[in-house]
Amino acid sequence: NAGVTQTPKFRILKIGQSMTLQCTQDMNHNYMYWYRQDPGMGLKLIYYSVGAGITDKGEVPNGYNVSRSTTEDFPLRLELAAPSQTSVYFCASSLQGASVQGELFFGEGSRLTVL
Amino acid sequence: GQNIDQPTEMTATEGAIVQINCTYQTSGFNGLFWYQQHAGEAPTFLSYNVLDGLEEKGRFSSFLSRSKGYSYLLLKELQMKDSASYLCACQDYKLSFGAGTTVTVRA
Repeated sequence: NAGVTQTPKFRILKIGQSMTLQCTQDMNHNYMYWYRQDPGMGLKLIYYSVGAGITDKGEVPNGYNVSRSTTEDFPLRLELAAPSQTSVYFCASSLQGASVQGELFFGEGSRLTVL
Repeated sequence: GQNIDQPTEMTATEGAIVQINCTYQTSGFNGLFWYQQHAGEAPTFLSYNVLDGLEEKGRFSSFLSRSKGYSYLLLKELQMKDSASYLCACQDYKLSFGAGTTVTVRA
């Protein structure tokens, strides 16, 4: 199994450009998450999904959008990129949610720089 | 919301023991996780506590006191490969992470 796969691994954007970070998992997990990690900081939750067709905001959703049309895929859309969105983005998935031990499996990360 | 505090950095010698403390304040609690993150890599799961007490897994142990809002991760027989950031995370309806503790193991 590939686990959680994110693309691209690196990307440089100009201010105002848009892009989509792709995330796919092959573990048939219901729960998927997008986090961002700034240097020296913990991971901040952007959006999460508890199943296909269901998404909800996390701590820092502004400037981002998500969709979940299938169990496998959870793309993150950046509209009008800003320098404050320079970060490392991690996609994660888990079989179970908050009520039980929802161990997260992370992708390798996507390093985004907005200039 | 959640407030999670852990030390920024710790240094220890190969073969020694290091204890990383984590305190948290949360409106709801469904468990506490520890994740390890090597530089430039994704976090990987280390341990999970939901009940008070100690969970041991090889060289790593994790302790939880729910009444005190306190946890620690104990790393024994430190090896150079244990140099990494250790993230404390609390779960209510989602998993919220602390800023992480960077552990440097020196020969």
